[in-house]
Amino acid sequence: DARVTQTPRHKVTEMGQEVTMRCQPILGHNTVFWYRQTMMQGLELLAYFRNRAPLDDSGMPKDRFSAEMPDATLATLKIQPSEPRDSAVYFCASGRQHPTGELFFGEGSRLTVL
Amino acid sequence: AQTVTQSQPEMSVQEAETVTLSCTYDTSENNYYLFWYKQPPSRQMILVIRQEAYKQQNATENRFSVNFQKAAKSFSLKISDSQLGDTAMYFCAFMDPNRDDKIIFGKGTRLHILP
Repeated sequence: DARVTQTPRHKVTEMGQEVTMRCQPILGHNTVFWYRQTMMQGLELLAYFRNRAPLDDSGMPKDRFSAEMPDATLATLKIQPSEPRDSAVYFCASGRQHPTGELFFGEGSRLTVL
Repeated sequence: AQTVTQSQPEMSVQEAETVTLSCTYDTSENNYYLFWYKQPPSRQMILVIRQEAYKQQNATENRFSVNFQKAAKSFSLKISDSQLGDTAMYFCAFMDPNRDDKIIFGKGTRLHILP
């Protein structure tokens, strides 16, 4: 049963620490999206990739966030240094390029920054 | 900038009733795709229904159907014969194939189905 795998599922850290979230997209999917979910903002698009190349990362605070795809089976989202306002659930989603447009989501990484 | 607006933060309906969730969007494009996603309390997001803007016929998936009004830029989701398992957060989403298939979401509507 193909699915998007995200780690860690939960992370509690202290302000100033580095946080790395990982995502394994579904094999054969060539697009990967990172979203952040909060009560106030809903689902915000942070960054996305196609064929491992970044297409848009305008939703990310550039000074502290970075997103990469070292290879086709791994996408990472890094926060350094983390701040309490980064507390949220971070979702990774993968899909095949248009025309279907359907995204398959991971279960999310719940981050709490104290 | 393209935007997706869901004006109903939260709704409650009785089981077996019909409920309609609203979504409006803003774009200058003529060709695009619209989606409704469901996020149950377990957090796993799944696709409910998909609409291609160039198709006039409204999409239907069992008890779920949409009312797509292209001129009004409106894309509402109707759930018929609602069930307890329909309790979830529902997100409307927009995809622009002219902008590298960027997919943006609305803020969501939390739907409670009451027994």
